[in-house]
Amino acid sequence: KNQVEQSPQSLIILEGKNCTLQCNYTVSPFSNLRWYKQDTGRGPVSLTIMTFSENTKSNGRYTATLDADTKQSSLHITASQLSDSASYICVVSVQGYSTLTFGKGTMLLVSP
Amino acid sequence: GAGVSQSPSNKVTEKGKDVELRCDPISGHTALYWYRQSLGQGLEFLIYFQGNSAPDKSGLPSDRFSAERTGGSVSTLTIQRTQQEDSAVYLCASSLSASSYNEQFFGPGTRLTVL
Repeated sequence: KNQVEQSPQSLIILEGKNCTLQCNYTVSPFSNLRWYKQDTGRGPVSLTIMTFSENTKSNGRYTATLDADTKQSSLHITASQLSDSASYICVVSVQGYSTLTFGKGTMLLVSP
Repeated sequence: GAGVSQSPSNKVTEKGKDVELRCDPISGHTALYWYRQSLGQGLEFLIYFQGNSAPDKSGLPSDRFSAERTGGSVSTLTIQRTQQEDSAVYLCASSLSASSYNEQFFGPGTRLTVL
């Protein structure tokens, strides 16, 4: 069964600090992996997408990594800001299928 | 240039009533997806459309749920005889086409509460 597991479930950090969120998946055959940011009361917004051959992708202060051998991904947030407070969702897609497998997300709270 | 819109933003209904949720995708997007997000749970796939056809309805939880899309644009998700366990946020997304490489753009969701 295709699954995506994220850790931690929630995280509180001080403004300005860095943090790393984890994602493990058992989706096969793998197509691509996205990280989404979901602000409270809003729909998710894509931050990065990585295919099998890519092992790192940056979007501003967000850097995602992918290890396709161990089926792990991480999202690193540098110099956190209050606006980074949101749920971060790891999403994996299967080759040949349009539907996505979502993790439950990591709820990040950046405290002043 | 508008994004995906959904209506209503909030819906409170009584158990046993029917509800209709509407999604307006981004203009030109041929693929449209419906998801359900329950409290503390990840997004759950319900159904997707390529044009007006629904190649994958596997996520619909019961025959009380149905969806249609007309004119390759607006889609309606209908829940008949609502139950309390139907309470959730229903999200709609659209993409250029139904390829896993195309980004799905999400609407703000409809929060459904069944009393």
